[in-house]
Order: sequence, then structure tokens, then C-alpha cells
Amino acid sequence: NAGVTQTPKFQVLKTGQSMTLQCAQDMNHNSMYWYRQDPGMGLRLIYYSASEGTTDKGEVPNGYNVSRLNKREFSLRLESAAPSQTSVYFCASSEAIFATNEKLFFGSGTQLSVL
Amino acid sequence: AQSVTQLGSHVSVSEGALVLLRCNYSSSVPPYLFWYVQYPNQGLQLLLKYTTGATLVKGINGFEAEFKKSETSFHLTKPSAHMSDAAEYFCAVTPASGGSYIPTFGRGTSLIVHP
Repeated sequence: NAGVTQTPKFQVLKTGQSMTLQCAQDMNHNSMYWYRQDPGMGLRLIYYSASEGTTDKGEVPNGYNVSRLNKREFSLRLESAAPSQTSVYFCASSEAIFATNEKLFFGSGTQLSVL
Repeated sequence: AQSVTQLGSHVSVSEGALVLLRCNYSSSVPPYLFWYVQYPNQGLQLLLKYTTGATLVKGINGFEAEFKKSETSFHLTKPSAHMSDAAEYFCAVTPASGGSYIPTFGRGTSLIVHP
């Protein structure tokens, strides 16, 4: 049971470099999310996709872009990485954003350091 | 707008002692409430959730939580802590109405269990 798979698990970037974090789920979920986790800040929503073909900004979208490639995949791109983007990034999915009581399924995270 | 406050960024208990992790929410209408657990180097997974009905909710690994509307609280308890309970715990809320059920997470409480 793969669930939500994120790649890579670890990444070190230099300021100004770009990269894409990949996420795929095999549960046929409609909704997908990207969160970042920082010490003392909990999880903050970066972007989400309610369904295939739609994306929306969350609480902290600046410096990021996303692509919902198909129903399974939702990628997060840093165009020009900054030290403030050093964080642990989690991808999550749920059956439907507009359904009640839905729990989120999380990937194991990507630890990103920007030097 | 909804929000959730977790009192105490760290809670330390001895093995066998009672675990109490506090969560208070702010919402004009009682929301749906969740507790998630994050073990080291893993993503979050659902412990338990409250939607409607019985206010005492039982989850996995012996945890339970009680919804108290008058106190706007959803505290997590476990009668006897195990070493394996050491983890980060997150309280989350979603609105009970309004169309979109994206959860808002608290800042997390790190549970430390001493032998």
C-alpha cells in the first residue's frame, strides 16, 4: 500500500536554484495539498487542488507554484529558492475537499535546505 | 474564520503516567475536530476525529478525546503513557459547513516520555 509518495526525501539547494517536489497518490483521491512544517509553526498550507484541473493558494503561497498534472500527481515548484524556504514539505490527499469528515493522508515529507 | 490553539509546545510525562494534550478552537459554529500524530521522520496520521454524536471519541493506540462545546475544547488523553507514544501531536479543525473542508492545524505539541 503506497498511499502518498513524495520525492525526493532530502534536498539541499543554493539560493536562487530551482527545483520541483513530486507527489503522487494511488488512492484515487480528488483533492491534494502541499503543506510546509516549520518548528513552532505547525503545518501551513501552501497550495491545494480541490480536483484535477484546479489549484488554489493557501496560507503561504509566495515563492511557490504548483501543477496538478493528473488526478494522481501534484507537484510543487520553487522557481528561485530562498533560505526562508528551508522547511519540511508534506504532500497530502483526501477523497474530496467538499466532503465532510474527510481525513488527510500524508506523505513522509521532503526535508529541504536552502543555503 | 476558524483557528486552533494547542497549549504547550512540549509535554513531558513518565512512562505509565496520564497523558493530557490540550486543544482549544475558535469558531462561530462548532467545527469538526481531529487529532493527528507524527512519529519521527514520518508524515502525519489520523488518531481520531469528532464530527457529530458522542462527545467522547476513542482513537487508535488507546487515545481518546472529549469534545466540550461550552469550553471550546478537544483535549487528547491516554491513561498510561508508553515510550512508543513519543511523537508530535497536532490538533486540527475543519468547518462543519461552508463547502470547503480544508483543515487548519495547530502548532503541535511534542510529547516526551521518560522511562
